[in-house]
Amino acid sequence: AQSVTQLDSQVPVFEEAPVELRCNYSSSVSVYLFWYVQYPNQGLQLLLKYLSGSTLVKGINGFEAEFNKSQTSFHLRKPSVHISDTAEYFCAVTHGQNFVFGPGTRLSVLP
Amino acid sequence: GAVVSQHPSRVICKSGTSVKIECRSLDFQATTMFWYRQFPKQSLMLMATSNEGSKATYEQGVEKDKFLINHASLTLSTLTVTSAHPEDSSFYICSASVSGLLLNTEAFFGQGTRLTVV
Repeated sequence: AQSVTQLDSQVPVFEEAPVELRCNYSSSVSVYLFWYVQYPNQGLQLLLKYLSGSTLVKGINGFEAEFNKSQTSFHLRKPSVHISDTAEYFCAVTHGQNFVFGPGTRLSVLP
Repeated sequence: GAVVSQHPSRVICKSGTSVKIECRSLDFQATTMFWYRQFPKQSLMLMATSNEGSKATYEQGVEKDKFLINHASLTLSTLTVTSAHPEDSSFYICSASVSGLLLNTEAFFGQGTRLTVV
């Protein structure tokens, strides 16, 4: 079984500041890792994913994430956030079937 | 990228009635579709997995007689909430995996359906 932990339920940050959203996972098998963003009353949009290869993954909207196998982490980063980045962010894992989602982190970008 | 269309986006129904939610893969064939439920300010929880032409597999604690899932074709899966009650009010999201890919390395999500039972 897999599980995903997102330690921060809410992250407020000022516009143009850097941000890191933390994600840790637990799994007895190899998994693939994802970050999704959800805007209010909308579905999920894929930000980025790690399947194999380079542990630093670049996604859309300037986001990137680094897979750290020893620490079982997949933290999401952005060097400079915008107001439009305000949303809910979900870390998820799959071993090839359904996805297991973390509880989500609410990123609020303040002017 | 692949598109999954979910309909309706919002629905309000009276307690005791049934509501059907459709999930369509518009430009690919989806052998497997997943239905998730999201309570306010919470994460998505898998309800069931549906494979085309066979019965859905429900997660523990999900009432199969209440949440009827039909996956009659490779492009359409439906979730019917029967005899809805206010506690069924939630955000329901479907996702579809692309057949032929090596493992389910990406899921394409619908826009979600906000169900409110009054």
